Amino acid sequence: DIVMTQSPDSLAVSLGERATINCKSSQSLLYSSNNKNFLAWYQQKPGQPPKLLIYWASTRESGVPDRFSGSGSATDFTLTISSLQAEDVAVYYCLQYYSSPQTFGQGTKVDI
Amino acid sequence: QVTLKESGPVVVKPTETLMLTCTVSGFSLSNFRMGVSWFRQPPGRALEWLAHISSSDEKSYSTSLKSRLTISKDTSKSQVILTMTNMDPVDTATYYCARTVVVLPDRWGQGTLVTVSS
Repeated sequence: DIVMTQSPDSLAVSLGERATINCKSSQSLLYSSNNKNFLAWYQQKPGQPPKLLIYWASTRESGVPDRFSGSGSATDFTLTISSLQAEDVAVYYCLQYYSSPQTFGQGTKVDI
Repeated sequence: QVTLKESGPVVVKPTETLMLTCTVSGFSLSNFRMGVSWFRQPPGRALEWLAHISSSDEKSYSTSLKSRLTISKDTSKSQVILTMTNMDPVDTATYYCARTVVVLPDRWGQGTLVTVSS
């Protein structure tokens, strides 16, 4: 199974400041035939299901604010919230969908 | 509008078999590229992928839970069923189903909390 490791486990950011979450995979998620990274980011607020933010490592899901961005390739990925808003307080997960079984990172809690 | 709704028992006893149903709307389970996955999340812990069924009825399972899981679907009823045998208190969790586009989960149900207790 591919192991996904997020860092940090939690972080506190002031309103309007940048938040950066890292995700590292135990093997490459880059599929050579289409040059796409099979990595997604989800946001989960308390009592709610996860919400898809980013897929293919850097493609923003429709309706997701542009302050959310994803970057990285192969084994190292980053989710950046450029200017943290109060409604962004949540736990964020990375997910690899390169191979079965799909695996998540352990989650990063973002607070103000 | 795509919706998914999980249903099943709230409490199961240890050693019993859990059966959960995911009823979907807004898309067809026979639609090319559409599938459904099941996930779970113990209280205060991370998400865990359990199983997936594709539009062509291909199935895949969690490595550690494979012997206990069965996923199936009834396309005419727009339902995907997950069974998990030999339930244990450590299986207490919120169970989610999600639509997948090929294998990417993009829309999730609200989840159902299942408690394993005698």
